[in-house]
Amino acid sequence: GNSVTQMEGPVTLSEEAFLTINCTYTATGYPSLFWYVQYPGEGLQLLLKATKADDKGSNKGFEATYRKETTSFHLEKGSVQVSDSAVYFCALYNFNKFYFGSGTKLNVKP
Amino acid sequence: EAGVAQSPRYKIIEKRQSVAFWCNPISGHATLYWYQQILGQGPKLLIQFQNNGVVDDSQLPKDRFSAERLKGVDSTLKIQPAKLEDSAVYLCASSWAGGAKDTQYFGPGTRLTVL
Repeated sequence: GNSVTQMEGPVTLSEEAFLTINCTYTATGYPSLFWYVQYPGEGLQLLLKATKADDKGSNKGFEATYRKETTSFHLEKGSVQVSDSAVYFCALYNFNKFYFGSGTKLNVKP
Repeated sequence: EAGVAQSPRYKIIEKRQSVAFWCNPISGHATLYWYQQILGQGPKLLIQFQNNGVVDDSQLPKDRFSAERLKGVDSTLKIQPAKLEDSAVYLCASSWAGGAKDTQYFGPGTRLTVL
C-alpha cells in the first residue's frame, strides 16, 4: 500500500541551526512527494514538491530531494529562524489520492 | 484571492448527536477534498469531489458520514450519529483540477469534540 513515515517530534533547534526532518515512504509505481507546513493557528499550506525521482523541490530556503533508491524525501534547511516554528507534514500522491505523514513539530528558539 | 472558508471553527457535541460542517472552496476550483485529522496524526482523506461528482470516498464511513457538493461549489459534511472516535479536526481543501501538479489549498479546519 501507500504510506508515509516521518520522524517523531518535537524537534527543538536554536536559531541558525541546520534542520533535517526525515521522511520515508512506501508506494507502488511513481508517486509525487510533498512537504506541507502548518503554522500556528493556520491551515496547511504547500511548502515544496517533487514529481519524479532525483527532482529537488525548494522554497523559502527549504529543500528536499526525491530519492527513489532510498524511498526518502528528507526536508532540509541550512539556517532556521524562529518564524519557521510550525508542524511539517510529508505527503505522497499516488493513484489519485494523497497520503500524509503524522507531522513533525519544529520549535526554533532565539 | 479569498481562501477556503470553513464553518464552524469549533463544535462540541455529545455522542449520538448529529453535526454538519460547511466548506466554501476557492472560486473556480473544481476539486474539493474533506480530510479527517485526529490529534497526533496526519490528515486522512475522507472524500474527494470533482465538480459535483464523487471521485473517491473509499475511506468515508458511510454508515454515519455523508457529504454532498450541490452545484459543484460549496460542500457539507455530516456525521450522524457521532461517536467518541470522531473527535478530530475536519479539513476542507480545494484545487483547480486535482492531481499531483495542482496545489491543494486548505481551510483552517473545524475542530470537533464528541463527549
